[in-house]
Amino acid sequence: GQSLEQPSEVTAVEGAIVQINCTYQTSGFYGLSWYQQHDGGAPTFLSYNALDGLEETGRFSSFLSRSDSYGYLLLQELQMKDSASYFCAVTVGAGSYQLTFGKGTKLSVIP
Amino acid sequence: AAGVIQSPRHLIKEKRETATLKCYPIPRHDTVYWYQQGPGQDPQFLISFYEKMQSDKGSIPDRFSAQQFSDYHSELNMSSLELGDSALYFCASSSGTGPYGYTFGSGTRLTVV
Repeated sequence: GQSLEQPSEVTAVEGAIVQINCTYQTSGFYGLSWYQQHDGGAPTFLSYNALDGLEETGRFSSFLSRSDSYGYLLLQELQMKDSASYFCAVTVGAGSYQLTFGKGTKLSVIP
Repeated sequence: AAGVIQSPRHLIKEKRETATLKCYPIPRHDTVYWYQQGPGQDPQFLISFYEKMQSDKGSIPDRFSAQQFSDYHSELNMSSLELGDSALYFCASSSGTGPYGYTFGSGTRLTVV
């Protein structure tokens, strides 16, 4: 089976930088994705890592270390609208992109 | 750009009733996934279809069934509804290009009373 661990809550100040960590244990691994979800809304794709290293997309970056079964999402220049839940999710096989999600991290951005 | 369309947006059913949720994937996306998200929970994979054939099965109860039709839309049929089935049901579609093109619909909120 698959299990993912991420912090349940994080609070950060507007304009700051926050890092959300994710560790995983899976029977197979193809890649790690990050999704943002506002209350009652749909998960929205943010970033994806299949190989070790850093992927940067605007204010969001994601990092993966396959040897450590670890990744993180970095959010820079935080804005109030970034207050949401952030999920890491693994895909375990090429061609089968079903996602197994972590429990989610609720980010609160304060003025 | 066209997105994944789900209907209805909200649905209220009584225990032991049936419900049908519909999903219209992004045009030219060949794979559809269904997820269930309980209150305060993470989305749980239920089932997926590739080119109208079931491709993977997750934690879908035997009371639920799904299919994908020739026009690629998919339906999730839920019978003998229980209070615990109350959740957000998301459909997602992809084109086989991996997670980059993986797009979720806005979901159907099912409430069982």
